[in-house]
Formats: sequence, structure tokens, C-alpha cells
Amino acid sequence: AQSVTQPDIHITVSEGASLELRCNYSYGATPYLFWYVQSPGQGLQLLLKYFSGDTLVQGIKGFEAEFKRSQSSFNLRKPSVHWSDAAEYFCAVGDTGGGNKLTFGTGTQLKVEL
Amino acid sequence: NAGVMQNPRHLVRRRGQEARLRCSPMKGHSHVYWYRQLPEEGLKFMVYLQKENIIDESGMPKERFSAEFPKEGPSILRIQQVVRGDSAAYFCASSPKYYRENAGGPSSGELFFGEGSRLTVL
Repeated sequence: AQSVTQPDIHITVSEGASLELRCNYSYGATPYLFWYVQSPGQGLQLLLKYFSGDTLVQGIKGFEAEFKRSQSSFNLRKPSVHWSDAAEYFCAVGDTGGGNKLTFGTGTQLKVEL
Repeated sequence: NAGVMQNPRHLVRRRGQEARLRCSPMKGHSHVYWYRQLPEEGLKFMVYLQKENIIDESGMPKERFSAEFPKEGPSILRIQQVVRGDSAAYFCASSPKYYRENAGGPSSGELFFGEGSRLTVL
């Protein structure tokens, strides 16, 4: 069964600093990978996704993620964090066998210090 | 706004009552997914439906929970005889018709989420 691990529950960074959120997955084949962001009291918004091809994926709001098969990782990065990036971030792996069912990690809560 | 619409946004029930959560998918989407988010946890898949069909209910509790997506109208997640442990945020997501370009080929994969229904059981 597929699974996703986000080892960092909380991360605090200063505004303007760089950010990397870790995500490790377990899946038998080439996975479909996603990063979603959730602001308080809101639903989830897709930041970026990886299906195949270029392992460096660009997303919205200046985010990017790199798929590393050898490390089973799909870490999310941003070179300069803005205060509005404070939110919870979820990594997810998709079911390539059929349908669009996603398995989510437990999330990383990002706090941005001004 | 053609986004995924969920209602109610907040629902309070006493133990033993029934909770009904509704989800209208994005226009043109025929697939609906329900997820549950417990405090301090990620989203857990519950059920995947197409119009008039349950495709995958592997994440649904065996008792008290049911879901439907009728030919007309929204998808409904129903929880009977609620208990305090049912308190959570319930998210609905939708996607376009899934298709395979070939065996094992890619789908769009993206789910579009509603803002959730937050159930509190007293």
C-alpha cells in the first residue's frame, strides 16, 4: 500500500529565508506526487504535481519540488518565504492504478516570523 | 464561482443524532471523493463515487457511515448515530472524468477540494 511521510510536523522560518519541506513516499511504481496547501479554515489548494518527465516541477506562488527516485522523496522548496505562506502543507501520492484517490501525509505546519 | 461547494460549513450535533454533509462538485466533474481530517492529522480517504455508483469505499467505517451521489443533486455523506469521535473536518473533492491513455497511463490526477464541513459532536 502506498504511504507518505512528512517528518517535520512544525517548521518556523523567517520571512525572506529559504524553505524546504520534506516528503518521502512509499509506492511500488512511478508515483504521481502532489503538494497541497491549506490555510486555516479553508480547503486544500494544489501547489504543484509530478507525473513524469522533468524531475524539477514548478508550481504556483513561487514553489518548486524535486522528485528523487533514489531517495523516494519529493521535497517542496521556495527560495524566499513570504508571511502569507504560513499555512499547512500536505504531500500526497496518487493511485496510478485507477481513479484519482490520493494518500496524504500528516502535514507540515509552517510558521513565518516577521 | 464554479468551485466545489460544501454545506453546511459547520454542523453541531449531539451524540446519537444524524449528520448529513452535502457536496456539489465543480461543473463538468463526475467524480467525487470524501476525505476526513481529524485534529492534528492529515486527510484520510473515505469514499470515491461517480454518479449513482460507489467506486471505492475502502476508507469508510463499516457502520453508521454511508455516501451517495445521485443522478441529480449533490453527493451526500451521511453519519448516523454520531459519536464524539466523528468530530472532524470532512472534505469533498471532485475531478473530471477519469480516463487512461493506455494501460497504466496518466490521469489528470488533480483533485479540486471544497472548503470542508466541520462537524462537532457534543
